[in-house]
Amino acid sequence: GNSVTQMEGPVTLSEEAFLTINCTYTATGYPSLFWYVQYPGEGLQLLLKATKADDKGSNKGFEATYRKETTSFHLEKGSVQVSDSAVYFCALTHTGRRALTFGSGTRLQVQP
Amino acid sequence: EPEVTQTPSHQVTQMGQEVILRCVPISNHLYFYWYRQILGQKVEFLVSFYNNEISEKSEIFDDQFSVERPDGSNFTLKIRSTKLEDSAMYFCASSDREGTDTQYFGPGTRLTVL
Repeated sequence: GNSVTQMEGPVTLSEEAFLTINCTYTATGYPSLFWYVQYPGEGLQLLLKATKADDKGSNKGFEATYRKETTSFHLEKGSVQVSDSAVYFCALTHTGRRALTFGSGTRLQVQP
Repeated sequence: EPEVTQTPSHQVTQMGQEVILRCVPISNHLYFYWYRQILGQKVEFLVSFYNNEISEKSEIFDDQFSVERPDGSNFTLKIRSTKLEDSAMYFCASSDREGTDTQYFGPGTRLTVL
């Protein structure tokens, strides 16, 4: 079946460091891919998305490119801030369906 | 900015009791969802709802669960007879009429079954 695999956390970085959070997926057809972020005490917020191969989603300095050849959607940011500390979830929707399939989440801690 | 709201933020119940979790989706949205996250585990899809009927459900969503849109604003999840393993964070989400796949999530209700 369809699944999403994320790197284990927590990821601890210093402010202004480069961030990569790996995400790979297994899916039939052509899924849409998402990154959601959950700040402490809040719900899941859509960070970015990509709906077809080679699309790049971007928002708030974060980027991810839909790579069909490697079935990946890695999240990157050039310079993280303390305010980026949160849990990041990679997710997909199956072709023709709306249910989101989530990865296990990666906690990011950014230290000043 | 419009947002999805959920009540209560925390619900404690005894095993075997019925609970109703409430959600107010974004007002012009037509698709509604429930997800849950057991502590330390993945966020899991439960059910989606459109045009007053269930459009998708997972194997988790068995006969103990039901959903309802009792009026024009609320969307509820009922668990008829709670089990210990129902303890989790329950998230409601909604998406708009265009079906852009962007689901907007509420802050969640933490359900604790004793």
